[in-house]
Amino acid sequence: EIVLTQSPGTLSLSPGERATLSCRASQSVGRNFLAWYQQKPGQAPRLLISGASRRATAIPVRFSGGGSGTDFTLTISRLEPEDFAVYYCQQYAESPRTFGQGTKVEIK
Amino acid sequence: EVQLVESGGGVVQPGGSLRLSCEASGFTFSSYSMNWVRQAPGKGLECLSFISSSSTSIHYADSVEGRFTISRDNAKNSVYLQMNSLRADDTAVYYCARGSGGGDWLIDYWGQGTLVIVSS
Repeated sequence: EIVLTQSPGTLSLSPGERATLSCRASQSVGRNFLAWYQQKPGQAPRLLISGASRRATAIPVRFSGGGSGTDFTLTISRLEPEDFAVYYCQQYAESPRTFGQGTKVEIK
Repeated sequence: EVQLVESGGGVVQPGGSLRLSCEASGFTFSSYSMNWVRQAPGKGLECLSFISSSSTSIHYADSVEGRFTISRDNAKNSVYLQMNSLRADDTAVYYCARGSGGGDWLIDYWGQGTLVIVSS
């Protein structure tokens, strides 16, 4: 099974700042089938990025994904108040599909 | 608008059973694979089960294999999760989630979830 490790566990930033989140896989993720989800308290996850870098429908351009193989990043160029949440990466290349443990982006 | 509405959660004793339902709307249900994903309180996400659009392909996580059964009824736009032999560590919010339909295993939409508590 592919183990995904996200870092940092918590990111404390101010609105307007840039956020860079990391997701490292224990083995190469085939076809870069890596997704990022955002989850706010009491809500379901929302798909942000698929295929490592493709923004989902209606996702603002300040969200961007990059990387390949075993190292992936999610960047939020300028944090808006509604962006403070927990972010999960997930590989969907092979079964079992696995998630990282999450990175919490909190207001500094 | 894609909508997924789960129901059937509640409190159940260890060893008991529960059947979750998820009713879909806003898309052609019979064309999409479906999934169940859970999240234990304060924890991360775990993919539990997958069912293809025509029910020909079904997968389970090791943690629920042999205890949980996924099924669907395309005429009712619904997917189900039959959960047997429940344990305390099955306590979680259970999400119904749609496969993206792109020929891969990407999940693109999620329901709001239903809470299952296994406790005596």
